[in-house]
Amino acid sequence: EADIYQTPRYLVIGTGKKITLECSQTMGHDKMYWYQQDPGMELHLIHYSYGVNSTEKGDLSSESTVSRIRTEHFPLTLESARPSHTSQYLCASSEYFPGGMDTEAFFGQGTRLTVV
Amino acid sequence: AQSVAQPEDQVNVAEGNPLTVKCTYSVSGNPYLFWYVQYPNRGLQFLLKYITGDNLVKGSYGFEAEFNKSQTSFHLKKPSALVSDSALYFCAWGDNAGNMLTFGGGTRLMVKP
Repeated sequence: EADIYQTPRYLVIGTGKKITLECSQTMGHDKMYWYQQDPGMELHLIHYSYGVNSTEKGDLSSESTVSRIRTEHFPLTLESARPSHTSQYLCASSEYFPGGMDTEAFFGQGTRLTVV
Repeated sequence: AQSVAQPEDQVNVAEGNPLTVKCTYSVSGNPYLFWYVQYPNRGLQFLLKYITGDNLVKGSYGFEAEFNKSQTSFHLKKPSALVSDSALYFCAWGDNAGNMLTFGGGTRLMVKP
């Protein structure tokens, strides 16, 4: 089992609410990622980080924001949730070797978000 | 654009038969290729990876994958399927330039008793 945790596992929330999806890993990995997974299962990278104070946007534009104040913690925030944000959100981490290949990514169990 | 593709949305196999889940890549240079599996209501689990060396890579749960440079493929295989292998399978690629792991669209494997 990978040591990466996401909370909550399931969340139903009303439109306009602010939410934060938590992701923590205890492996000391520098790289962390957030993926959004369609109901049709395709994965889209929305945010990533190379380490503390590093955040980058991924391939898919997202209204969410992320922060990386501590190595182990990479929360994702939606300031004002909308039904279009309904999706599964997967957090992952990997070791980072500049100039070399990263280790394989380890994934959390995901947060299934429903905005009503 | 560099990518991996999984041409089949779903693969159906009878238990005990061999299975193949296909992946092709369009990546310049030397690709690093991965297979992940996702069980219902779970995150992705790493199965195996190809970095360099032997073209046949062995992974978890009896799976293996063959890197074929001439066909730009990295198909996932297992000699004898189990019902418990039913899940979503994702092919992915990465590189040594610090780029993020990029996933194919996924293939749903259904193994029937």
